[in-house]
Amino acid sequence: QKEVEQDPGPLSVPEGAIVSLNCTYSNSAFQYFMWYRQYSRKGPELLMYTYSSGNKEDGRFTAQVDKSSKYISLFIRDSQPSDSATYLCAMPGGGSTLGRLYFGRGTQLTVWP
Amino acid sequence: SAVISQKPSRDICQRGTSLTIQCQVDSQVTMMFWYRQQPGQSLTLIATANQGSEATYESGFVIDKFPISRPNLTFSTLTVSNMSPEDSSIYLCSVADRGVGEQYFGPGTRLTVT
Repeated sequence: QKEVEQDPGPLSVPEGAIVSLNCTYSNSAFQYFMWYRQYSRKGPELLMYTYSSGNKEDGRFTAQVDKSSKYISLFIRDSQPSDSATYLCAMPGGGSTLGRLYFGRGTQLTVWP
Repeated sequence: SAVISQKPSRDICQRGTSLTIQCQVDSQVTMMFWYRQQPGQSLTLIATANQGSEATYESGFVIDKFPISRPNLTFSTLTVSNMSPEDSSIYLCSVADRGVGEQYFGPGTRLTVT
């Protein structure tokens, strides 16, 4: 079983739609949960991250963590064509794997006008 | 966040040759990492580049194939040695800035091996 699972999509939505992106993970030791956005032919950029369970909002983006289910989500409200990118969830290891990020496969999102 | 640059941005190389990729950061950072991203796939960690000591490699990656240097706190290189078409990929360096949970990535080096 992979440490982090993410549906690769692709996901295609009209402008203004609410987008829901999700990941599941297997390691209950994960404490930080991160979302990266990667535009075509660019490196991933850190979008937002949360610590432990709960929600975190940043503008149109909301990250949600449910540690009991080992399930994390990223919601994008009022989606824009500029949100078209691949979204990767990631979780940093700890202990002997300190610094190592475990990535999902990424979900490719297209927002059409 | 740290600003990271990589050179070259892309290259086309012949089988059997080697390519050295440079990663430069605009501030001193403790931890630097090298990742590989194959087409349609997620990021796979190759190694952690430690300043003043040997790199720590992940399972499936060896120093002879991917030698890494980390001469100071702002610079690292990754060499892809004796390349084959299977090495065609995007190679990314990243740094851990404020705490090891947050990593910031360079723009990547797109390598094609023919």
